[in-house]
Amino acid sequence: GAGVSQTPSNKVTEKGKYVELRCDPISGHTALYWYRQSLGQGPEFLIYFQGTGAADDSGLPNDRFFAVRPEGSVSTLKIQRTERGDSAVYLCASSSDGGAGDTQYFGPGTRLTVL
Amino acid sequence: AQSVTQPDIHITVSEGASLELRCNYSYGATPYLFWYVQSPGQGLQLLLKYFSGDTLVQGIKGFEAEFKRSQSSFNLRKPSVHWSDAAEYFCAVGARDSSYKLIFGSGTRLLVRP
Repeated sequence: GAGVSQTPSNKVTEKGKYVELRCDPISGHTALYWYRQSLGQGPEFLIYFQGTGAADDSGLPNDRFFAVRPEGSVSTLKIQRTERGDSAVYLCASSSDGGAGDTQYFGPGTRLTVL
Repeated sequence: AQSVTQPDIHITVSEGASLELRCNYSYGATPYLFWYVQSPGQGLQLLLKYFSGDTLVQGIKGFEAEFKRSQSSFNLRKPSVHWSDAAEYFCAVGARDSSYKLIFGSGTRLLVRP
């Protein structure tokens, strides 16, 4: 079956612009996670959705970052007034119900470059 | 706070040789532990996970890991490495809060010498 998909695969933008990154989770998965991976580092947690609601957004670095999941499926990560430090690979993962035993399945990521 | 340390940034092994990748975690209770592999251009793939029970965990692609509470370690092993195993390996601990988010180490890049 289809895995987690993310679009676009690459995004180049200029400092100060607004960007949207999309994640399409595995069908039927209620839990969705966003992580950010900087060069040479492991992924860092940004936000967790259970259904439509953001159950944990403690990893969002500041109020320029926002994410939505209006119908409990596709999620969009939105970054306002991008800065060069936002350049990273943004990873999305989904799991069946977000429980302790669940495997998180990762998408291929969106590489964001802010010039 | 929970954290994961992977002390080796790079490891090079010859094809056919055995492999051990180190992982140490910091956590007050019994952790949920994971190993993921990331190949270029591909997403993270779960190799194995430990929640409880038998401390020796078998995973995919011939990998295994052993949970040692006394050493706060969860090292990944493979008896004979294949060239296709060259990739980045990440150890992670699962947060014991409502999100069960993953806290990753910084990774170990495995190079396989022909």
